[in-house]
Amino acid sequence: DAGVTQSPTHLIKTRGQQVTLRCSPISGHKSVSWYQQVLGQGPQFIFQYYEKEERGRGNFPDRFSARQFPNYSSELNVNALLLGDSALYLCASSGASGGPQHFGDGTRLSIL
Amino acid sequence: GQNIDQPTEMTATEGAIVQINCTYQTSGFNGLFWYQQHAGEAPTFLSYNVLDGLEEKGRFSSFLSRSKGYSYLLLKELQMKDSASYLCALTAPNAGNMLTFGGGTRLMVKP
Repeated sequence: DAGVTQSPTHLIKTRGQQVTLRCSPISGHKSVSWYQQVLGQGPQFIFQYYEKEERGRGNFPDRFSARQFPNYSSELNVNALLLGDSALYLCASSGASGGPQHFGDGTRLSIL
Repeated sequence: GQNIDQPTEMTATEGAIVQINCTYQTSGFNGLFWYQQHAGEAPTFLSYNVLDGLEEKGRFSSFLSRSKGYSYLLLKELQMKDSASYLCALTAPNAGNMLTFGGGTRLMVKP
């Protein structure tokens, strides 16, 4: 079975641009979460969606938004990109509430 | 909020045993997770503790003491491929299974 898949793998943008990152969860998983990981640090929670509804939001500005589709895939959007948005963006999916989250390989976003 | 502390770096010898500690301050949590992350790769799930005590999975074991705000990950028979970052994370009550991570411990295994 396929794991969590994310696209694109790498992305280079300039300040002020907008970006959309995509994630497909493990088949049967209805919960998708997004994390930002800056080099040398642990992942920081951005959003969690379950059954297409937002279940949680981390301490990120309104420039960050997300949604989940009927097939449980998800998109993360970031507007007005800043240099500090350069990071690895990880998507994770899980099945039962409280069960372990399984991560995709991430999208490495570089802002020039 | 939740505050999670781990040592930044550790070094150990191939074949040895290493213990990676995680201490936390939180008003409550559902479970404590350990993830392994090789450089440039995604975190992979290692273990999960809900109750106090030891959970063993092959060469890896994880221990939790809620009263002491303390967990550790024990790696036995170290192999070179165990060189990676090890992340301790908590899930908060009434917050789905959102993970709050520590900064991670970078383990270097030497021959």
